Amino acid sequence: GAGVSQTPSNKVTEKGKYVELRCDPISGHTALYWYRQSLGQGPEFLIYFQGTGAADDSGLPNDRFFAVRPEGSVSTLKIQRTERGDSAVYLCASSLGGGGALNTQYFGPGTRLTVL
Amino acid sequence: EDKVVQSPLSLVVHEGDTVTLNCSYEVTNFRSLLWYKQEKKAPTFLFMLTSSGIEKKSGRLSSILDKKELFSILNITATQTGDSAVYLCAVEPNTGNQFYFGTGTSLTVIP
Repeated sequence: GAGVSQTPSNKVTEKGKYVELRCDPISGHTALYWYRQSLGQGPEFLIYFQGTGAADDSGLPNDRFFAVRPEGSVSTLKIQRTERGDSAVYLCASSLGGGGALNTQYFGPGTRLTVL
Repeated sequence: EDKVVQSPLSLVVHEGDTVTLNCSYEVTNFRSLLWYKQEKKAPTFLFMLTSSGIEKKSGRLSSILDKKELFSILNITATQTGDSAVYLCAVEPNTGNQFYFGTGTSLTVIP
């Protein structure tokens, strides 16, 4: 497809469970970003990948959160021992990387995570 | 601490009105400012601004940046109901790659 895709679109889980959220970036985009958006707030940065490596994971809230991008394309955000406070929309974005307009981030539709 | 502040938080107008949305920022080592429109989930890109005083325009939407006063405005003329959305402002520093987002302005256009 032409845009960023994310699956699932909605995920309901119970407190304490493990979840995986998937992001498929725009083909050819080397940079990939994960954000978390709570109701009434702007997206909050979690982690940034350049290629396969996590270039900046300073936004991950704690060690229950982890993300991988093993082949430099698809990325998975993993949340262990989910808590009710993890409920939010998780957005993925990708860009060509580099400076200027090449770094414009294009967003996927997000995964709405609800932890009961 | 880097931050982006948008105002107003919400706005209700009638079709045909003109609106101005504001974004002010305090970000170390500014590189660019971006505007996004978020209708349901995915923010969609509107403009990227890097230079002061140069207006970017797309149809009824336009935006300008003032790097001295550290703000940007997004104008929408002749508003339509399809303009109803949350408008997000984001600032990109030239160190690192994360964008700093404001909380957004929720615009509702009434027929």
